[in-house]
Amino acid sequence: NAGVTQTPKFQVLKTGQSMTLQCAQDMNHNSMYWYRQDPGMGLRLIYYSASEGTTDKGEVPNGYNVSRLNKREFSLRLESAAPSQTSVYFCASSARGGEAQYFGPGTRLTVT
Amino acid sequence: QKEVEQNSGPLSVPEGAIASLNCTYSDRGSQSFFWYRQYSGKSPELIMSIYSNGDKEDGRFTAQLNKASQYVSLLIRDSQPSDSATYLCASQYSSASKIIFGSGTRLSIRP
Repeated sequence: NAGVTQTPKFQVLKTGQSMTLQCAQDMNHNSMYWYRQDPGMGLRLIYYSASEGTTDKGEVPNGYNVSRLNKREFSLRLESAAPSQTSVYFCASSARGGEAQYFGPGTRLTVT
Repeated sequence: QKEVEQNSGPLSVPEGAIASLNCTYSDRGSQSFFWYRQYSGKSPELIMSIYSNGDKEDGRFTAQLNKASQYVSLLIRDSQPSDSATYLCASQYSSASKIIFGSGTRLSIRP
């Protein structure tokens, strides 16, 4: 039982490049989330998926897109990376929306 | 704007003492509350959930909830250097499919 897994662990991009962050959970959870964490800013919700087939914007969705591929997988795409997107990205899941969330190990992204 | 507020710290507590971490929330309809611990460079880890007014104990940790005052706290008894971390408080938006996090309190246990 791996919990929540994320790939890659580290990534360096140049401005304008695109990439997809992958997240998978094996806990049969319905809800999944993407956060970014910057020093002094706490966790900020980018997008979430309350259940398979639905996605909703969070607090800071601009510059990102998401796909809930199936119940297990929820990906985050940066279409044209900007230095302001340099951050640590966490994926999380919960059994149902509003319940305790369990986090993946994070992806450290640097955009130069 | 619904908010969860925490003192950013750092809070310095001697080893063996009780560490008290506090959190207030603005959404009176919130029903569920969570405490997470985050070590530097790691992801947040759930340590306590609390849903009813009063105290909930789990080992050295006690969560306290007062819905009338919109206040949640976490007590850590017999503090150890390994408890040094940032502690995040979170609450569920009323009737929403997400939770909102405070910005965290940095706790330092001094030997």
